[in-house]
Amino acid sequence: EIVMTQSPLSLSVTPGEPASISCRSSQSLVDSYGYNYLVWYLQKPGQSPQVLIYLGSNRASGVPDRFSGSGSGTDFTLKISRVEAEDVGVYYCMQALQAPITFGQGTRLEIQ
Amino acid sequence: QVQLQESGPGLVKPSETLSLTCTVSGGSLSDHYWSWIRQPPGKGLEWIGYIYHSGTTNYNPSLRSRVTISLDTSKNLFSLKVSSVNAADTAVYYCARGYCRGAGCQLYYFDPWGQGALVTVSS
Repeated sequence: EIVMTQSPLSLSVTPGEPASISCRSSQSLVDSYGYNYLVWYLQKPGQSPQVLIYLGSNRASGVPDRFSGSGSGTDFTLKISRVEAEDVGVYYCMQALQAPITFGQGTRLEIQ
Repeated sequence: QVQLQESGPGLVKPSETLSLTCTVSGGSLSDHYWSWIRQPPGKGLEWIGYIYHSGTTNYNPSLRSRVTISLDTSKNLFSLKVSSVNAADTAVYYCARGYCRGAGCQLYYFDPWGQGALVTVSS
């Protein structure tokens, strides 16, 4: 099974400041066509997870452009260019390259 | 717009079978993966398994011996059964649609998710 490791596990950010979350996989998430099967989700308090980024760097429909995903292989990053109050919650990375599909431990973002 | 809604008993006794259904509205069960994911209280996410619209299933090895996912296309829903439950199965259970891409229909993300159903295992 592919193990997903996120860091940090929590961060506190001032509104308007940037934030960055790292996700590392125990095996490469690149398929034979060069696509990275890495997804980022945000779970807001009391809600179900919502997709932010898929295939490593593709922003999902309706996701603000302050969210961006980068990386390839085993190292990935989610960046928020300017954090807003509505961005609080837990961020998860997920690999979908091979079963079992696995998630990172989650990174809790709070607003200072 | 597709919406998913979980339903089922919120309390299950140890050693019994947990049964949940996910009703899909605003779309059909064709051309996607239909999945179950759970989250123990205060913890992270665990993928349980999925069923493809063709009926092919794939389960997490950690649960494979106890899990069954099935489709009912006539009612536009899919179901989860987990047998021989214990306290460790207490969790919020989410259903979700899985998108796939490419000739081999490789699953690549889940969207949307249902609102989740809390199932507590207790006598």
